[in-house]
Amino acid sequence: QKEVEQNSGPLSVPEGAIASLNCTYSDRGSQSFFWYRQYSGKSPELIMFIYSNGDKEDGRFTAQLNKASQYVSLLIRDSQPSDSATYLCAVINSGGSNYKLTFGKGTLLTVNP
Amino acid sequence: GAVVSQHPSRVICKSGTSVKIECRSLDFQATTMFWYRQFPKKSLMLMATSNEGSKATYEQGVEKDKFLINHASLTLSTLTVTSAHPEDSSFYICSASSGVEETQYFGPGTRLLVL
Repeated sequence: QKEVEQNSGPLSVPEGAIASLNCTYSDRGSQSFFWYRQYSGKSPELIMFIYSNGDKEDGRFTAQLNKASQYVSLLIRDSQPSDSATYLCAVINSGGSNYKLTFGKGTLLTVNP
Repeated sequence: GAVVSQHPSRVICKSGTSVKIECRSLDFQATTMFWYRQFPKKSLMLMATSNEGSKATYEQGVEKDKFLINHASLTLSTLTVTSAHPEDSSFYICSASSGVEETQYFGPGTRLLVL
């Protein structure tokens, strides 16, 4: 069973702080990694994808990938109350077709004003 | 870019009726579309994967005769919940991938309530 693990939280940070969201995956052959944000009652929204080891930055968001440790993280700088949501880590496993995603259960982030 | 729409956004129906949900990619051609279901406070559950012009591939435990999927064009996939029952009440979400890149873009979802 190829799995994606996330701390369910809730993770609570004060406004302006850095929020760090972590994810581990079991399939060592995975090549593609995604972070989605899901507000309560809404569908997931793509934040970032990352394919290569290292950091990838997009505005206040930085994704970090370490394939040797099978670990991917998302940092949110200058957290805002509007960032409060569930963050889903998703992985495309190796050997599959159709780019099927395996999702973690999500981490609930609360940013306190 | 990469906009996916769903219609209807919300539907209420009587038990035993069938409900059709449409998923459209508005600004790209979606060679692959996915259908998910999500119960309150639960994770997304993939129901099936559909490729344009071919039969859908259903996940284990999902009844293909109950959840009919048609992907007739590169911009449209439909999910029909046949003979809906109250336990089918859920949030149904589609996503689409162009096939050129792996990223899935999600539609806004359809909330189904079966009375």
